[in-house]
Amino acid sequence: DGGITQSPKYLFRKEGQNVTLSCEQNLNHDAMYWYRQDPGQGLRLIYYSQIVNDFQKGDIAEGYSVSREKKESFPLTVTSAQKNPTAFYLCASSQDSGVDEQYFGPGTRLTVT
Amino acid sequence: AQSVTQLGSHVSVSEGALVLLRCNYSSSVPPYLFWYVQYPNQGLQLLLKYTSAATLVKGINGFEAEFKKSETSFHLTKPSAHMSDAAEYFCAVRAYSGYSTLTFGKGTMLLVSP
Repeated sequence: DGGITQSPKYLFRKEGQNVTLSCEQNLNHDAMYWYRQDPGQGLRLIYYSQIVNDFQKGDIAEGYSVSREKKESFPLTVTSAQKNPTAFYLCASSQDSGVDEQYFGPGTRLTVT
Repeated sequence: AQSVTQLGSHVSVSEGALVLLRCNYSSSVPPYLFWYVQYPNQGLQLLLKYTSAATLVKGINGFEAEFKKSETSFHLTKPSAHMSDAAEYFCAVRAYSGYSTLTFGKGTMLLVSP
C-alpha cells in the first residue's frame, strides 16, 4: 500500500538533546512538508521541500533542521535550540501542483522533559 | 497572503442532527480550499476539496461544502451526524496560481452525543 510512514509514534527525550524524526513516503510525490501541531493552534508549517536537495523554511523553522537527500525521505531534527519542542509532529507529501491535496502520515508525539 | 478562520473551537450536536462547521478564508488570489478530519492521535485525512470546478463539493462520509465567493466562506455540512463523526476538523486554503503552501485554520472539535 502507498502511504507515508513516521517513526516512532512516541518519542521521549531529555532537554538539551537533539532528536531526529523520520518520514518516508512511497507515493512518488515531489513535495514533502513538516508541521507542528499544538492544542488549539492548528497546524503550523516548519519546513517544506519541493524537490530533492532543496527545502524552504516555513512559519516556525527556528530550532529545527531538515534534509532531503532522497525523494522518499524528509527527516526532521529538533535541536536543543528549540525552546518548546514538546508537540505532535506531522509529515505530509503532495504532487506539488495547485490542485493536489497533501497526504499525511500518522504523526510522532515528542515529549521533552 | 492567505488565512483561514474557523468559527467555534468546539461544536456539539446530537446524533442524527445537522452538522455545520464554519470556515471563512482570506486570499488575495482565487483559492483552493480543503477540509480535513483528524481522529485522536492520528494524521489528517482529506474530506473534500474545492478546485473551482463546482461550488458545491461532495466528499467522503456524507460531508459536503459550498464555496461562496461573496461571503468568502466554505462551510462544511452533513445532514445527519453519526457518533463516528466525532473528531477534529480543519479547513485549509492555498493560492490558485503558482506554488504555495497550505494555510490551516485552528480546527473545530465536533462532539456528537447519543
